Amino acid sequence: AQSVTQLDSQVPVFEEAPVELRCNYSSSVSVYLFWYVQYPNQGLQLLLKYLSGSTLVESINGFEAEFNKSQTSFHLRKPSVHISDTAEYFCAVVNAGGTSYGKLTFGQGTILTVHP
Amino acid sequence: GAGVSQSPSNKVTEKGKDVELRCDPISGHTALYWYRQSLGQGLEFLIYFQGNSAPDKSGLPSDRFSAERTGGSVSTLTIQRTQQEDSAVYLCASSFPMVKRNTEAFFGQGTRLTVV
Repeated sequence: AQSVTQLDSQVPVFEEAPVELRCNYSSSVSVYLFWYVQYPNQGLQLLLKYLSGSTLVESINGFEAEFNKSQTSFHLRKPSVHISDTAEYFCAVVNAGGTSYGKLTFGQGTILTVHP
Repeated sequence: GAGVSQSPSNKVTEKGKDVELRCDPISGHTALYWYRQSLGQGLEFLIYFQGNSAPDKSGLPSDRFSAERTGGSVSTLTIQRTQQEDSAVYLCASSFPMVKRNTEAFFGQGTRLTVV
């Protein structure tokens, strides 16, 4: 079984400031890790994922996350946020030895609000 | 279709009534999942279909909940004798099997169920 803890339920920041959304997980098996984003009144979209290889993964819109196995963390960062980044962000894991990417265990979500 | 389609987008029902929620996955995706997103509970896995295998029902909260997937495509989630605590957004997702490593689970927009 896995569990995911997102340490901050809400993160307010000003535009162009850096941001870090924290995620820690617990699992007895190897996992793959994901960050999903849910913009207001929209569905979940995959932001980035770690399967193997380089522990630093990046999204096309400037977010990055680093897998730290020793600390069981997968924190999400962006050096300079925009108003359009306002959304709810979900960290998720899936059993790497499973059969599908879809049986995900999600964290509770972090609402990122970017102020002008 | 281009994405995962769910219907209806909104459903208001009286306590005690049965409801059916529909999901049309992305064409060719053999795996289909249902999740529930509610305040205070976050995103919870409900059920998972993979091809012709028996579904993984481990997340269904009670025997009032059931789901079927006909012909390996469209899925229907049925909630019998609805209760107010069933009020939530029900999300459907689909994907290729995990053996296709460079893939992901795609989510629909969800059905917002309100039990009054």
